[in-house]
Amino acid sequence: ETGVTQTPRHLVMGMTNKKSLKCEQHLGHNAMYWYKQSAKKPLELMFVYSLEERVENNSVPSRFSPECPNSSHLFLHLHTLQPEDSALYLCASSQDPHPKETQYFGPGTRLLVL
Amino acid sequence: TQLLEQSPQFLSIQEGENLTVYCNSSSVFSSLQWYRQEPGEGPVLLVTVVTGGEVKKLKRLTFQFGDARKDSSLHITAAQPGDTGLYLCAGVVKLSFGAGTTVTVRA
Repeated sequence: ETGVTQTPRHLVMGMTNKKSLKCEQHLGHNAMYWYKQSAKKPLELMFVYSLEERVENNSVPSRFSPECPNSSHLFLHLHTLQPEDSALYLCASSQDPHPKETQYFGPGTRLLVL
Repeated sequence: TQLLEQSPQFLSIQEGENLTVYCNSSSVFSSLQWYRQEPGEGPVLLVTVVTGGEVKKLKRLTFQFGDARKDSSLHITAAQPGDTGLYLCAGVVKLSFGAGTTVTVRA
């Protein structure tokens, strides 16, 4: 138990669906992250939030829309996804948004796009 | 983009054997982190190495940071089934991850 929870743990969706991934951290951290993990590829940082403000967006397609309503919660809204978007989506948090800070990861949401 | 290459990609050994996995880059990092990710879980930080040439030990795990701070290795002595997992290295200036080494330790 890392103090970061993600729901759902598994998600199957069609290309025309709209769904949302949820992440919650119980660590009192100020920074939260979304990563994409595909087989045999490095973790890809998608978004970084610091105190509810987006501070980094790494050329992620607009079909992924993040939302950070407060410092404990982070959402990833999904719409009109493609099969190549199938992956494990990991949320993480850290005390501050500095790369040297230890990041605590949630267990991930395994997404399959049909 | 700072590319980190990890080798081997897969490693399967018998319980009690030793193993070494490598993390290499052409970039210099201010520090380097090692994570282990077990099936169905997110990565968990094992160690951060900061100084060129630094060696850190965590029970049966030994981590080394190269003198030029471009590469690192992880050595596991007398591996146990509980060591099974995906080992990821991540280099810091801007945190960049390698693709990982999947280690399976057979009982």
